[in-house]
Amino acid sequence: QKEVEQNSGPLSVPEGAIASLNCTYSDRVSQSFFWYRQYSGKSPELIMSIYSNGDKEDGRFTAQLNKASQYVSLLIRDSQPSDSATYLCAVGNSGYALNFGKGTSLLVTP
Amino acid sequence: EAGVAQSPRYKIIEKRQSVAFWCNPISGHATLYWYQQILGQGPKLLIQFQNNGVVDDSQLPKDRFSAERLKGVDSTLKIQPAKLEDSAVYLCASSLQPRDGYTFGSGTRLTVV
Repeated sequence: QKEVEQNSGPLSVPEGAIASLNCTYSDRVSQSFFWYRQYSGKSPELIMSIYSNGDKEDGRFTAQLNKASQYVSLLIRDSQPSDSATYLCAVGNSGYALNFGKGTSLLVTP
Repeated sequence: EAGVAQSPRYKIIEKRQSVAFWCNPISGHATLYWYQQILGQGPKLLIQFQNNGVVDDSQLPKDRFSAERLKGVDSTLKIQPAKLEDSAVYLCASSLQPRDGYTFGSGTRLTVV
């Protein structure tokens, strides 16, 4: 059984702080890694993808991947109340559908 | 580009009734997925199509769920008969290739009473 584990939270951070979201996965041959944001009552929205070890930055978001430790993280800098949502980690292997974690609920307080 | 279209948005049925959901993926996207998302959980794959062929349906409860993708474009997901535990949001997604991130549709919220 391929597992994707996330702390369900809620993770509460003050406005302007850095939010750090973590994810571990069990399938060592996983090749693609994604972070989705899901607002309450809405469908998931892709915000970041990463395929190689290291960091990938896009605006206020940084994804980090460590395949040796089977660990993916998402950093959100200068967190805003509009970032309050559930963040889903998804892991994929060549040709096959993504396996999602349960998500981490993030609350950014003004 | 137009997004992934799903209908209906909401559906309430009684247990043992049947229901069908429809999905139209982004034009040109060969891969189509149906996911089930129960409240408080992450999406769980039900079935993956590549064009009009099934790639993975290992988690589809085949005694009650069925899905098809005619002509490699639109897809329908059917539940017959529905159970209370089928209450969930059914998400359709598509991608150019499985390695790409998905675009999800707005989902169908099913309530079985």
